[in-house]
Amino acid sequence: GNSVTQMEGPVTLSEEAFLTINCTYTATGYPSLFWYVQYPGEGLQLLLKATKADDKGSNKGFEATYRKETTSFHLEKGSVQVSDSAVYFCALSDLSNAGKSTFGDGTTLTVKP
Amino acid sequence: NAGVTQTPKFQVLKTGQSMTLQCAQDMNHEYMSWYRQDPGMGLRLIHYSVGAGITDQGEVPNGYNVSRSTTEDFPLRLLSAAPSQTSVYFCASSLDSGGAQYFGPGTRLLVL
Repeated sequence: GNSVTQMEGPVTLSEEAFLTINCTYTATGYPSLFWYVQYPGEGLQLLLKATKADDKGSNKGFEATYRKETTSFHLEKGSVQVSDSAVYFCALSDLSNAGKSTFGDGTTLTVKP
Repeated sequence: NAGVTQTPKFQVLKTGQSMTLQCAQDMNHEYMSWYRQDPGMGLRLIHYSVGAGITDQGEVPNGYNVSRSTTEDFPLRLLSAAPSQTSVYFCASSLDSGGAQYFGPGTRLLVL
């Protein structure tokens, strides 16, 4: 079956530091890959996505590249801000999933001024 | 578009009570799901639906029922609440089978 493994947290960084959150996956088909962000007290929001190998998803300064050879989709940002403090979820979905997604456990990011 | 809406935002129940968590979406999405989120356990799928009239169980369905009489609505029923059902519940919808999910704001449930 499908699974997603995320880098364990929590992660604490200073403002303007470089961020990497690792994500690897196992899938039987050819999944689409996603990063979602959850701010305190809110639901998950789609941050970025990639639908095929070597695609790069990007949004709000965050990037992730779909690496089929290493089954990875690591999230990166060159310079984090305090407002980036949130929980980040890596997820996958494929056509056989019937509209469901498989999520990682989430990584809590705290950015200090 | 309002997107995915959930009511209530917060609810306190006593053990043994029943209630319905409401979920609606106005994006004409065929696929809808219910998840629960507990500390240290990520998101766990309770039930899902691939269209009106079609539902199926996820990984933690016990104690919950769902129905999907319209494309827009996907209510989750707790039959007899237990303290183990204290959680945050999220409803989500997606346009297609392999696509992104759109989440509601969540319902925080406390069972005493």
